[in-house]
Amino acid sequence: AQSVTQLDSQVPVFEEAPVELRCNYSSSVSVYLFWYVQYPNQGLQLLLKYLSGSTLVESINGFEAEFNKSQTSFHLRKPSVHISDTAEYFCASNNAGNMLTFGGGTRLMVKP
Amino acid sequence: KAGVTQTPRYLIKTRGQQVTLSCSPISGHRSVSWYQQTPGQGLQFLFEYFSETQRNKGNFPGRFSGRQFSNSRSEMNVSTLELGDSALYLCASSLNMGTGELFFGEGSRLTVL
Repeated sequence: AQSVTQLDSQVPVFEEAPVELRCNYSSSVSVYLFWYVQYPNQGLQLLLKYLSGSTLVESINGFEAEFNKSQTSFHLRKPSVHISDTAEYFCASNNAGNMLTFGGGTRLMVKP
Repeated sequence: KAGVTQTPRYLIKTRGQQVTLSCSPISGHRSVSWYQQTPGQGLQFLFEYFSETQRNKGNFPGRFSGRQFSNSRSEMNVSTLELGDSALYLCASSLNMGTGELFFGEGSRLTVL
């Protein structure tokens, strides 16, 4: 069975500082990997995805994630965070239909 | 283009009752998935429907059921409610199966008393 582990449940960071949210996955088969973001009282939104090809994927709002097969990781990074990035971030994997396995989530708290 | 619409947004039920939640996917999307989100268990997959057929099912008891209509709208039903069924139920739609690129609604928050 697949599993996704997000190593940090909360990450406090000051505005304009860099941040890394860690994600490790386990799967015996090829997977697709995703980061979703959930703002308060809202559903999830797809932030970025790795399906194949380049191991570095980027979002339109400055986040990036790197697929590392040898370390089974898909960490999310941003060089400079904003207050508006405060949200909960979920790493997920998929290898059957649209059945996603989610990590436990990381709450990013950006402080002024 | 309208997003995924879930109704009702909030509801309160008592133990033993049943509940039906509705989801209207993005126009043209044929796959609808349901997830349960709780503080203790996180996000867990319930089931996925595509072309009116259940394609995948998560590890939930038979009290949880769903269906999809010919217009891709979906409903899920929970019978004989338990306190532990209190959760945010999220519906997500996708153009096709297999990509994992889901568009989520804002959820239906169920409280069981």
